[in-house]
Amino acid sequence: AQRVTQPEKLLSVFKGAPVELKCNYSYSGSPELFWYVQYSRQRLQLLLRHISRESIKGFTADLNKGETSFHLKKPFAQEEDSAMYYCALSAGQGGKLIFGQGTELSVKP
Amino acid sequence: NAGVTQTPKFQVLKTGQSMTLQCAQDMNHNSMYWYRQDPGMGLRLIYYSASEGTTDKGEVPNGYNVSRLNKREFSLRLESAAPSQTSVYFCASSTTSGVSETQYFGPGTRLLVL
Repeated sequence: AQRVTQPEKLLSVFKGAPVELKCNYSYSGSPELFWYVQYSRQRLQLLLRHISRESIKGFTADLNKGETSFHLKKPFAQEEDSAMYYCALSAGQGGKLIFGQGTELSVKP
Repeated sequence: NAGVTQTPKFQVLKTGQSMTLQCAQDMNHNSMYWYRQDPGMGLRLIYYSASEGTTDKGEVPNGYNVSRLNKREFSLRLESAAPSQTSVYFCASSTTSGVSETQYFGPGTRLLVL
């Protein structure tokens, strides 16, 4: 079964601390994975995707096929990083996305 | 560019009533999607349209119908609303239905079914 799991509903860190948002997936094929973010009162938007191997706003994510994980990391969290983060898996033809439950990141001053 | 727009922003329905949620995009995208977002469950795909003239069921299609009116517009219809359809509905679009495509989301429609 195709599934994305984000085990933490809420992650609270202090400004300047490292942050890691966990994402595990279950997929029989070769996965295409994404992180989407929703800031307060804004639309859901793409943060990064593994195929691009990019760093956006200091965030990176590495696909680990052995552990079936795609954790999102940032070495020094900022208050403006506070948002809802969703890990998503592209489920083959049609561009369908399977989303995890979401993790709310709260960065305290 | 407005991107993806959705109407209405908020709606209250009584059980059994019908309504249509409207979605339009001005990015000349081929593919469009409808998701619902429920607490603790993330977003789940209801229906999608890989290209104009085609529609397919997603993960949770029961109780919904869709129409891809033209390339710009993709509507979602609830024929007989039920309290279980209380949710936030998001429309999204992408250039194509390729597996690596970025999806662009609308602001959402908050629906309450009493």
